[in-house]
Amino acid sequence: EAGVTQFPSHSVIEKGQTVTLRCDPISGHDNLYWYRRVMGKEIKFLLHFVKESKQDESGMPNNRFLAERTGGTYSTLKVQPAELEDSGVYFCASSHVGTAQRAEAFFGQGTRLTVV
Amino acid sequence: GENVGLHLPTLSVQEGDNSIINCAYSNSASDYFIWYKQESGKGPQFIIDIRSNMDKRQGQRVTVLLNKTVKHLSLQIAATQPGDSAVYFCAENTGGTGFQKLVFGTGTRLLVSP
Repeated sequence: EAGVTQFPSHSVIEKGQTVTLRCDPISGHDNLYWYRRVMGKEIKFLLHFVKESKQDESGMPNNRFLAERTGGTYSTLKVQPAELEDSGVYFCASSHVGTAQRAEAFFGQGTRLTVV
Repeated sequence: GENVGLHLPTLSVQEGDNSIINCAYSNSASDYFIWYKQESGKGPQFIIDIRSNMDKRQGQRVTVLLNKTVKHLSLQIAATQPGDSAVYFCAENTGGTGFQKLVFGTGTRLLVSP
C-alpha cells in the first residue's frame, strides 16, 4: 500500500511568488491534515479535511494560505504571496474516519519550503 | 535534515542501554496521546499511543507512561539500538475520537552510539 506522498519534496521561491504544495493521501482515507514546522518551532496543525469539506481550519495562519481538496482525493496547499516567515516543512497526514479508539494518522515525508 | 539547527534537547546513550524520553503536555482535557519518531528526511512515524484512562501501555521494546496529575508523558525504549536514533515527539490529540488534531511537543533528539 502506498503511503502519503507529497510533492515537491523541496521548493525554493522568492518572496512574493506563489507556491502550491500537493498531498496524495492513502487511498480510502477520508481525513486529510496539513501541518507545518517553521524553523525553531514545534509542528503545528494547519487544517483538517473530511473528504472534500474543511472540518477545521483554525490553524491556518492568514489568508495567504489556501487549501483545497477537490473530489475528496488529493489536496493542495497554496501560499500566495509567499513571505520569508513561511519557510519551513509542510507535512500532510491522512487517516480513516473512525469510531475506533484511535484513527492513526500517517504522515508524508514533508515538503521543505524555502522563501528567499 | 529539517531538524538541523534546531536547539532540541538531546539524549545520548550507548547501544543496549534503556532510554527514557520525557514530555510535558499542556491541556488537562486531552484524552489521547501519541509518541512519534522522525528520522531525517521523513515524516513523523507513529510509535505508540495511550488513552487518558490508562497510565501505562507497552509495545515492542517501547513503553509509554502517563501521569495526568502532573501532565507528563514518558517514552521508554528498551535495549536501544543505533536505528532508534531520531527525533522523538510527543503529541496530544485535541480532535476527539477518530480525528487527529495534534499538538506536538518540541521534540527530543536521541543519539545512540554503537
